[in-house]
Amino acid sequence: GAGVSQSPSNKVTEKGKDVELRCDPISGHTALYWYRQRLGQGLEFLIYFQGNSAPDKSGLPSDRFSAERTGESVSTLTIQRTQQEDSAVYLCASSLNPFVWLNAFFGQGTRLTVV
Amino acid sequence: GIQVEQSPPDLILQEGANSTLRCNFSDSVNNLQWFHQNPWGQLINLFYIPSGTKQNGRLSATTVATERYSLLYISSSQTTDSGVYFCAVDPGGSEKLVFGKGMKLTVNP
Repeated sequence: GAGVSQSPSNKVTEKGKDVELRCDPISGHTALYWYRQRLGQGLEFLIYFQGNSAPDKSGLPSDRFSAERTGESVSTLTIQRTQQEDSAVYLCASSLNPFVWLNAFFGQGTRLTVV
Repeated sequence: GIQVEQSPPDLILQEGANSTLRCNFSDSVNNLQWFHQNPWGQLINLFYIPSGTKQNGRLSATTVATERYSLLYISSSQTTDSGVYFCAVDPGGSEKLVFGKGMKLTVNP
């Protein structure tokens, strides 16, 4: 597609359930980033991929969070045993390479609500 | 880690007014960017500006890296300028941007 696509756009889940969030980056973009945005806050870095590898996982808040990327394309962010504090908008961005943020484009995000 | 502070946190303007948004950061940076998040949540790059001054239409930005701040100027504001403006910096040694908490701008007709 022409832009970064994320799905679902909205997700409501019960506390304790697992969720999967999907990101389709712009074709050819080697770098992919996941950020979290809590209500009224800035963006909090979660993880970044270069190709299918994740050199930096330092932002993942706990071991309930994991992410993978396949085919240097689609990425999935998985949150296990969701908690209410996981409620946020999860944003994905991609860029041609990780050193040129000028080329980074964000998706519309997935709004996750844990009830 | 590096701290990024934006001011003011909120601003309400009448259409046609000018405004200045400020971003202070606590350490030297390799990169600084300004983003606009529109009311639909989409984040748009405005400027990549680690130093110096750039202009794009009614918007311009200046970064004084030695003094660790950046300014975003909006002139003749329009209702479509409404949204949240974020400053984000790359502190170096990592491939990620650290974001400020944002500044919510409301431009009334």
